[in-house]
Amino acid sequence: SSELTQDPAVSVALGQTVRITCQGDSLRSYFASWYQQKPGQAPVFVIYGKNNRPSGIPDRFSGSSSGNTASLTITGAQAEDEADYYCNSRDSSGNHQVFGTGTKVTVL
Amino acid sequence: QVQLVQSGAEVKKPGASVKVSCKASGYTFTSYYMHWVRQAPGQGLEWMGIINPSGGSTNYAQKFQGRVTMTRDTSTRTVYMQLSSLRSEDTAIYYCARDYDYGDSGAFDIWGQGTMVTVSS
Repeated sequence: SSELTQDPAVSVALGQTVRITCQGDSLRSYFASWYQQKPGQAPVFVIYGKNNRPSGIPDRFSGSSSGNTASLTITGAQAEDEADYYCNSRDSSGNHQVFGTGTKVTVL
Repeated sequence: QVQLVQSGAEVKKPGASVKVSCKASGYTFTSYYMHWVRQAPGQGLEWMGIINPSGGSTNYAQKFQGRVTMTRDTSTRTVYMQLSSLRSEDTAIYYCARDYDYGDSGAFDIWGQGTMVTVSS
């Protein structure tokens, strides 16, 4: 079982804001990173650290963290943002990586 | 550009082994650790382990200890993941992903296209 828990699914109206959360004890010590995965494609790296976007990722994607919870926010969601989103960090031992359970984002 | 290209799909019988390759290009191969991640059909991402292409050291997820072996060939800039004693639950897409070292937390910045491994009698 995953040590990082995400809501299974969220929906957002086109142009509105959606926040995806990731909870786990290890997030008190380590940052989360976030990945977007569309059907039939490999994951894409979208956020890491406090709130950093890799090159090419739109600035409508942002990250934050508080206590044992990391969040990914999409401000002004677009149709192309419809995808599965996974968080990732270290496990509670700090020795291994672990992924969240994943959140399916639907843009209405 | 930076790229990871994986080997093609495999079909294996239960009890067999599979070896998946991941060829890197566009960067200094030995400067970045490499992870392996898998995804069963309709399921989430699962971390399997990591290899240091420079020295070859590895660190495996406990779930795969004893069944997985990660190796590298620096002359061909290729990392390999071998999984033995295959069972139907190992049917999945297997990805290699380059480690992005920005501190203690770790991340995966470049992903291979994935290799489908099907285990079926």
